[in-house]
Amino acid sequence: GIQVEQSPPDLILQEGANSTLRCNFSDSVNNLQWFHQNPWGQLINLFYIPSGTKQNGRLSATTVATERYSLLYISSSQTTDSGVYFCAVTTDSWGKFQFGAGTQVVVTP
Amino acid sequence: DAGVTQSPTHLIKTRGQQVTLRCSPKSGHDTVSWYQQALGQGPQFIFQYYEEEERQRGNFPDRFSGHQFPNYSSELNVNALLLGDSALYLCASSSKPNAEQYFGPGTRLTVT
Repeated sequence: GIQVEQSPPDLILQEGANSTLRCNFSDSVNNLQWFHQNPWGQLINLFYIPSGTKQNGRLSATTVATERYSLLYISSSQTTDSGVYFCAVTTDSWGKFQFGAGTQVVVTP
Repeated sequence: DAGVTQSPTHLIKTRGQQVTLRCSPKSGHDTVSWYQQALGQGPQFIFQYYEEEERQRGNFPDRFSGHQFPNYSSELNVNALLLGDSALYLCASSSKPNAEQYFGPGTRLTVT
C-alpha cells in the first residue's frame, strides 16, 4: 500500500514564528487532506487539497502531486495552533484514507 | 448544521465483552467510514459504508463489524474485546465515497 511520511515528527515553536510541515507519499493520490487534532482528539479539517495551493487565514497548503508531496505552512503561530497535524491521502475511488504518523506541534508563549 | 456526532463519548468494557459505537453523519452526507486511533499513532481505516453496504475494509479481524441504516447513520460493533482494542474510535462522513471527509469527536474505548 501507499506510504505516507510526515516531517518533522516534532516541532517546538515560539509564538509568532513561522513553520513548514511536509507530507511525502509514495504513489499517485486521488485526494489529500490536512487535519489538526486538538488535545481532546477532535480532527479538524484544514485543507482538502489533492493539488494546487490554498490559503485560509494564517494557514496555507501546497500539493505538488507530480512530485508526491504536500506542504502545510503555519505563519505567525499562536498557542492555539498546538496539537498534532496529520496528512491523509486516498488512492482509490472509495476514499479509504491512509494517514501519516503526524507532526506534534507545540507553540510556547 | 450539525456536524458528525458520535456516542458514547467514553466507554469502559471488560475483556471478552461486546461493544456498539454509534455515528450520525453530517447533514447531506451518505458515506460513513470508521477509524481506530491508538495512542500516539495516526488513525487506521477499519471500514466504509455506502448505500447500506460495506464497501471497503482495512486490516481488521471479523470481530469488527458494522452497519449502516437507511438514514445513513452507522454502528461499529466489536466482539470479544481484547486489551489491544483500547483506542479512540473515529467516524468520518462525506457527501460521496471519495469526497472531503469530516470527522466526529470520537469515542474513547478502554478495555480492562
